[in-house]
Amino acid sequence: QLQLQESGPRLVKPSETLSLTCTVSGGSITNSNYYWGWIRQPPGKGLEWIGTIYYTGNTYYNPSLKSRVIISEDMSKNQFSLKLSSVTATDTAVYYCAREIRDGQNLYFFDFWGQGALVTVSS
Amino acid sequence: SSELTQDPTVSVALGQTVRITCQGDTLRSYYASWYQQKPGQAPVLVIYGKNNRPSGIPDRFSASNSGNTASLTITGTQAEDEADYYCNSRDSSPYHPVVFGGGTRLTVL
Repeated sequence: QLQLQESGPRLVKPSETLSLTCTVSGGSITNSNYYWGWIRQPPGKGLEWIGTIYYTGNTYYNPSLKSRVIISEDMSKNQFSLKLSSVTATDTAVYYCAREIRDGQNLYFFDFWGQGALVTVSS
Repeated sequence: SSELTQDPTVSVALGQTVRITCQGDTLRSYYASWYQQKPGQAPVLVIYGKNNRPSGIPDRFSASNSGNTASLTITGTQAEDEADYYCNSRDSSPYHPVVFGGGTRLTVL
């Protein structure tokens, strides 16, 4: 069974960089059938897609966050990572990593999710 | 990018049928998928594509599509179905390929 686990600091100071890693077990991030994404959810609010990476290294970012986001992968560790720079209190959220399926041209969805990591931005 | 609009709250009597909708121009071209999220938990995929359920999802969950609206129907709603439900789809913009709806809180009376 595929499992994803987020790890990283849970408290980040304003203006600094949020860094999270997603460790994938039970499957390989180099499998060409899948993409790997980050989604966040501010407390009491809805889901927001942050970005996605494919094993080739191709990345896709939410335009509203693109200037501050980098998603990368480490195939040797079967991990992918998120860096969000210049954070403010509005970046406080639960951050989820998830496996994404892009089925042809008409269907994109996330079938496995990590448990989520609450990251608080505060001094 | 396109937006996906959901009613913030919906209620249903125990055992009855409820429809949760998701509207957006992108749904004229692309399929929606649906997620259930209970408090303190990660979202769980309940429907993807035209009307496909992942393994382990009860068959009381189904989906349909018409024009710019995707619908999630729960037939014979159970108490454990009380949760937030989110739709998502791809977008026609290559720069913002993934969008989520704002979510619907389902209350089972």
